[in-house]
Amino acid sequence: GQQLNQSPQSMFIQEGEDVSMNCTSSSIFNTWLWYKQEPGEGPVLLIALYKAGELTSNGRLTAQFGITRKDSFLNISASIPSDVGIYFCAGQTLAQKLVFGQGTRLTINP
Amino acid sequence: ETGVTQTPRHLVMGMTNKKSLKCEQHLGHNAMYWYKQSAKKPLELMFVYNFKEQTENNSVPSRFSPECPNSSHLFLHLHTLQPEDSALYLCASSQEVDTNQPQHFGDGTRLSIL
Repeated sequence: GQQLNQSPQSMFIQEGEDVSMNCTSSSIFNTWLWYKQEPGEGPVLLIALYKAGELTSNGRLTAQFGITRKDSFLNISASIPSDVGIYFCAGQTLAQKLVFGQGTRLTINP
Repeated sequence: ETGVTQTPRHLVMGMTNKKSLKCEQHLGHNAMYWYKQSAKKPLELMFVYNFKEQTENNSVPSRFSPECPNSSHLFLHLHTLQPEDSALYLCASSQEVDTNQPQHFGDGTRLSIL
């Protein structure tokens, strides 16, 4: 089946640092989504990307839909303590199925 | 508040028990989904419903039985589960299945099988 390789699996950073994570696949996706999950909660949608090459921002978050349609990255600028959580990428296939990455666990030292 | 509510939030049951998980969405969506989230594994899609009709069963064992009485409600009936079924069960909804509109998730039911 289709798989997404999300990296890194975990990050330990200082407050104020920028963060970058990405997802790659051998398959083409027509939509890329980025979710954040905090302990005891479900994934919350952060950014949705619908077009190859699209660059979209949501506050301090920026994500891009790769030109090849096989990858996407998420950047977080000037991290703050409430950015802690697990970030998931998800690619939506042409058959409208959602495939998730393994997640990036972000830990921030104050 | 994501508009998708799941109950109960936590459930502990024995292998011979029968219980049900409930999901309700207040977003006016027509598609609903069940996912299983286990530690260190990607979210696994279990079932998909579109306009109350099941459109996908992702090779889920028959001890999990979904029910979708209307577009706003989704149930997962559990019977004779195994210890490896312990996980977070997440419900999601979206406008419809055949669109690229994103899925919105509930907070899940943490299930523990004794």
